[in-house]
Amino acid sequence: DVKVTQSSRYLVKRTGEKVFLECVQDMDHENMFWYRQDPGLGLRLIYFSYDVKMKEKGDIPEGYSVSREKKERFSLILESASTNQTSMYLCASSTGQYYGYTFGSGTRLTVV
Amino acid sequence: KQEVTQIPAALSVPEGENLVLNCSFTDSAIYNLQWFRQDPGKGLTSLLLIQSSQREQTSGRLNASLDKSSGRSTLYIAASQPGDSATYLCAAPGGATNKLIFGTGTLLAVQP
Repeated sequence: DVKVTQSSRYLVKRTGEKVFLECVQDMDHENMFWYRQDPGLGLRLIYFSYDVKMKEKGDIPEGYSVSREKKERFSLILESASTNQTSMYLCASSTGQYYGYTFGSGTRLTVV
Repeated sequence: KQEVTQIPAALSVPEGENLVLNCSFTDSAIYNLQWFRQDPGKGLTSLLLIQSSQREQTSGRLNASLDKSSGRSTLYIAASQPGDSATYLCAAPGGATNKLIFGTGTLLAVQP
């Protein structure tokens, strides 16, 4: 089975800190995604990547950036964390548009 | 623009009951639809992926159907168990990025 691993289950950061959320997949998938999930708003796409060093904005990219230096790793970066970025962050990977997504276990980020 | 709606938002049933969860989508030009399960504070687990050429897909006690013409999918759970209690999400491709768009989910509680 494909495994998507998010390095942290829970994180607490201070306002203004630079935050890195890491995601690693072990099945050579081309596509990787970052979503955030908030009560009442559901899952919203932040950024995605089709290949190494490629990135595309999703629906809510403001305040975030990403890095994909290796195929298996996709990092989400909060340049200057703010309290409204407190959320559950979910990483997913997929091998193509006709295939399903596999999600990681999520990172619950609290910005204080 | 793709919009995904799930009804009901919450459902409580006694153990052993058969139940149906509903998902509707506005843009029927999809190549697949995926159902997920999410336990509290956890990531998403893929349950079923239905390709646009399929009418239904089965896994154990779960059966998902897809009717593109009416923009609807259903998830049928047979002989429900307390362990089925979770939030169930459906997702279809769409939006400017043609990536997965999620419904806000159905929170299912199966009472022993």
